[in-house]
Amino acid sequence: GNSVTQMEGPVTLSEEAFLTINCTYTATGYPSLFWYVQYPGEGLQLLLKATKADDKGSNKGFEATYRKETTSFHLEKGSVQVSDSAVYFCARLSGNTPLVFGKGTRLSVIA
Amino acid sequence: NAGVTQTPKFRVLKTGQSMTLLCAQDMNHEYMYWYRQDPGMGLRLIHYSVGEGTTAKGEVPDGYNVSRLKKQNFLLGLESAAPSQTSVYFCASRTSGTLAEQFFGPGTRLTVL
Repeated sequence: GNSVTQMEGPVTLSEEAFLTINCTYTATGYPSLFWYVQYPGEGLQLLLKATKADDKGSNKGFEATYRKETTSFHLEKGSVQVSDSAVYFCARLSGNTPLVFGKGTRLSVIA
Repeated sequence: NAGVTQTPKFRVLKTGQSMTLLCAQDMNHEYMYWYRQDPGMGLRLIHYSVGEGTTAKGEVPDGYNVSRLKKQNFLLGLESAAPSQTSVYFCASRTSGTLAEQFFGPGTRLTVL
């Protein structure tokens, strides 16, 4: 079936540290892959996306590369800020079926 | 554009009471979704709709009903609320196609006593 597995949190980092949040997906077909972010008290919003192998999505200093050979879409940022504290969700989409989300990873960045 | 809006923002119910959550979108999106979010469980899909007049069950549909009488609205009903339905409910919408961004509402926090 279709599933997404992401690393469990919480992740706590100091400001300016390097961030990686791992995400892997089941390789049924050729899904599109997404990272969504949820700030405290808000709904989810799209952070970045990639639609085919080797595509790199990027936004607000975050990046993720669609790796077909490892079925992964890890989220990275070189230097996190306190304002990046949020919950991050990896998701996959195949055809017109509903998005499948991972369980989310909570990131806390301390000054 | 208001995007995706949800009404109400907060609600407290007693066990056995009924209520309807309203989701509205002004982006002319075909697809609409209802999710619930619980600590440690991520987002779980309750019901969804791929067009006006259509609905389909998601991962956790029991205890909920939905209707999509108008394209812009998607209603989620609880006929007889239970404490297990205490959660934060999110509505979302998107256009068809695999590149389409999914837009989320701000959520409704429901407590069932």
